[in-house]
Amino acid sequence: GQQLNQSPQSMFIQEGEDVSMNCTSSSIFNTWLWYKQDPGEGPVLLIALYKAGELTSNGRLTAQFGITRKDSFLNISASIPSDVGIYFCAVLNYGGSQGNLIFGKGTKLSVKP
Amino acid sequence: DVKVTQSSRYLVKRTGEKVFLECVQDMDHENMFWYRQDPGLGLRLIYFSYDVKMKEKGDIPEGYSVSREKKERFSLILESASTNQTSMYLCASSGGTFGYTFGSGTRLTVV
Repeated sequence: GQQLNQSPQSMFIQEGEDVSMNCTSSSIFNTWLWYKQDPGEGPVLLIALYKAGELTSNGRLTAQFGITRKDSFLNISASIPSDVGIYFCAVLNYGGSQGNLIFGKGTKLSVKP
Repeated sequence: DVKVTQSSRYLVKRTGEKVFLECVQDMDHENMFWYRQDPGLGLRLIYFSYDVKMKEKGDIPEGYSVSREKKERFSLILESASTNQTSMYLCASSGGTFGYTFGSGTRLTVV
């Protein structure tokens, strides 16, 4: 099936540092999503991107939908301890056998106070 | 506040038992999904449903079945639990193009 390549797999950073993670695909997708999963909880939608080249912010989070429609990145500025969790990229996949969304394998973020 | 509710946060079951994981959503969503999450493997789709009494296999349906008798409820069934089904199980629902709403997950341990 189709796959998203998400990197890095994990990050250990100091509080206050900026964070960057990305997601790539071999296929074109028209909607890219970023989710965050807090420890012990289900993933929650952070940002949705619908237009190639679009740059969208949500507080300290900024995400971009690549112009080729095959990639996206997520930046977190001035990280804080509550940023800890797993960040997933996802794309909307119409049709096929995998349902609506395809997920990356996640980036696990750890923040040292 | 819209919700997807999974009936148990933690479950411990014995090998060979029949296990039911329940999921209820209050958003009148058509689509519901079951995933399992394992470290390093991300979210893997087990089964999904686009309507009442309809079901479709995801990527890893072996050893599982599902039931959707009512629109708001989607049940995952482990016919004969095995230790390799120890995992975090996540239910989600979707009303269309705005992504999923997830439940808090059920951490199942099979001993």
